[in-house]
Amino acid sequence: TQLLEQSPQFLSIQEGENLTVYCNSSSVFSSLQWYRQEPGEGPVLLVTVVTGGEVKKLKRLTFQFGDARKDSSLHITAAQPGDTGLYLCAGVGSGAGSYQLTFGKGTKLSVIP
Amino acid sequence: DAGVIQSPRHEVTEMGQEVTLRCKPISGHNSLFWYRQTMMRGLELLIYFNNNVPIDDSGMPEDRFSAKMPNASFSTLKIQPSEPRDSAVYFCASSLQGIGGYTFGSGTRLTVV
Repeated sequence: TQLLEQSPQFLSIQEGENLTVYCNSSSVFSSLQWYRQEPGEGPVLLVTVVTGGEVKKLKRLTFQFGDARKDSSLHITAAQPGDTGLYLCAGVGSGAGSYQLTFGKGTKLSVIP
Repeated sequence: DAGVIQSPRHEVTEMGQEVTLRCKPISGHNSLFWYRQTMMRGLELLIYFNNNVPIDDSGMPEDRFSAKMPNASFSTLKIQPSEPRDSAVYFCASSLQGIGGYTFGSGTRLTVV
């Protein structure tokens, strides 16, 4: 079973601060996706990273895929209250399991105005 | 596109009753997934359909759970009889296989008392 560990589990910061959350696994994934989930809604896809070492930027969010494609990080610069939510990473399998997303349990982020 | 549509949004039922959750995927998507989300276990894949055919139901907890996809625009997840431990948020998601990420519905919050 492929497991994804996310840390920290909870994070509460002041508006304007920077933060990094992590997603780690002992398994190799063909790609990795990050989602944000707001209360009462389903997860919404933010980005997919495919190549080991890849870095993608989405405004103030920077996503990095580890060289070995086993881990990833999400860095938020100058956090805003609108960034509040549950951040989930999900690993995409390969071959016969390529349809399957394995989700971490998420990092719950609260940005205080 | 209205996205993935799930109904009902909330369901409260008594132990032993039958519960049916409904999902309309995004038109043109050929993959459909049912997930269950709890605080303890996070997002768990219950069943995956491709082109209306169940491909992987290894995540279905037990025989009390069943899922159908009679056509490309509709799927149901049924629990009979329901138990308090089935209380969770159930998500339906769809995707175009191998392309992009999943689009999730807003979920059905099920409470079994």
